[in-house]
Amino acid sequence: GENVEQHPSTLSVQEGDSAVIKCTYSDSASNYFPWYKQELGKGPQLIIDIRSNVGEKKDQRIAVTLNKTAKHFSLHITETQPEDSAVYFCAASGNRDDKIIFGKGTRLHILP
Amino acid sequence: ETGVTQTPRHLVMGMTNKKSLKCEQHLGHNAMYWYKQSAKKPLELMFVYNFKEQTENNSVPSRFSPECPNSSHLFLHLHTLQPEDSALYLCASSPGTGANTGELFFGEGSRLTVL
Repeated sequence: GENVEQHPSTLSVQEGDSAVIKCTYSDSASNYFPWYKQELGKGPQLIIDIRSNVGEKKDQRIAVTLNKTAKHFSLHITETQPEDSAVYFCAASGNRDDKIIFGKGTRLHILP
Repeated sequence: ETGVTQTPRHLVMGMTNKKSLKCEQHLGHNAMYWYKQSAKKPLELMFVYNFKEQTENNSVPSRFSPECPNSSHLFLHLHTLQPEDSALYLCASSPGTGANTGELFFGEGSRLTVL
């Protein structure tokens, strides 16, 4: 089955700088890669996703890149702000079954 | 407000107790999920229901018993739990499953502590 690895587990970034979180997946049939943000005391919430037919997607300060050959994808947050502090999860899924497999998460701290 | 409501938010139970977690979604979705979130572990998929039918049981111990009476409600019945079952249990819904999964909408979770 699918396995998703996520790095780093913790990331501290100065406010205004960029943050990058990286994930790899094992199943070459996976074709959907969402990213979720979980704030304290809340459930995860989708912030951006990408499908395998594109290599990059951007939404304001957030961008995701996908390299299907290498089976890895990354989340990029530019001009980080205090409200970006949260746990971020990458995930992967395919058409074949009902599973969305998550990485272990990255705790992002934005330093003042 | 994500449209997915979980109750209770916090639950403390002994190993011999029987309790239930409840989830309700107001989004008109057809699929509902239970996930387990433990410290330093990935979100673990437990069960998937699509149109009230269970389509996935991810090798979950029988002390966890799901129930889905309709597409809007999902329960997780708990009995004879172990301390290692202490975790945050997240309910989610989505428009469909497989190729039609789309975005998962999560509730805020039920924090379970087993003494």
